[in-house]
Amino acid sequence: SYELTQPLSVSVALGQTARITCGGNNIGSKNVHWYQQKPGQAPVLVIYRDSNRPSGIPERFSGSNSGNTATLTISRAQAGDEADYYCQVWDSSTAWVFGGGTKLTVL
Amino acid sequence: EVQLVESGGGLVQPGGSLRLSCAASGFTFSSYAMSWVRQAPGKGLEWVSAISGSGGSTYYADSVKGRFTISRDNSKNTLYLQMNSLRAEDTAVYYCASEDYGGKPGSGAFDIWGQGTMVTVSS
Repeated sequence: SYELTQPLSVSVALGQTARITCGGNNIGSKNVHWYQQKPGQAPVLVIYRDSNRPSGIPERFSGSNSGNTATLTISRAQAGDEADYYCQVWDSSTAWVFGGGTKLTVL
Repeated sequence: EVQLVESGGGLVQPGGSLRLSCAASGFTFSSYAMSWVRQAPGKGLEWVSAISGSGGSTYYADSVKGRFTISRDNSKNTLYLQMNSLRAEDTAVYYCASEDYGGKPGSGAFDIWGQGTMVTVSS
């Protein structure tokens, strides 16, 4: 079955750039989606199909995907960006797969 | 307003059954694939099951295959999850989610989520 690997936690200083990685075998050949989830709330889509932002998501959120790693980049990090972030792909054998999630802390 | 509203959660004994519902509004429900995603307390997201827009194709995580059944009634704009032989490890918040593109699961991203319904399996 296909697996996605994310770091458990990432810390970033206020105003700096955070990068959250998502590793998977040849993930560059798949469409990667990213979700933000704050405590007690449903997940929110922040990046779809590798690098596209839904309406209402700040330009500070961007994504890339190549080789075995996809990356969610949050520029000029704000306190309100503190949340859990999940990557997701569709695999033809496993169907939908989520990464384990990364807790982002803004210092 | 585009929204999904889940219902049907609650407390059930191990081995019991429960049926979750997800009512959709504000979009053409039959055009989009739908999924159920769950989150155990303090844990990450786990995809459970998906269904095509027509209802003709279904997919399940190995952890629920043979116990859960996903279905939809496009005339009622409602998604269902029939859960049988429930186990303690099925305890979680269950979310329904809609893909943003196409009627085949895997075509899009989950752009619409419900607020979730809690399922607790305990004696």
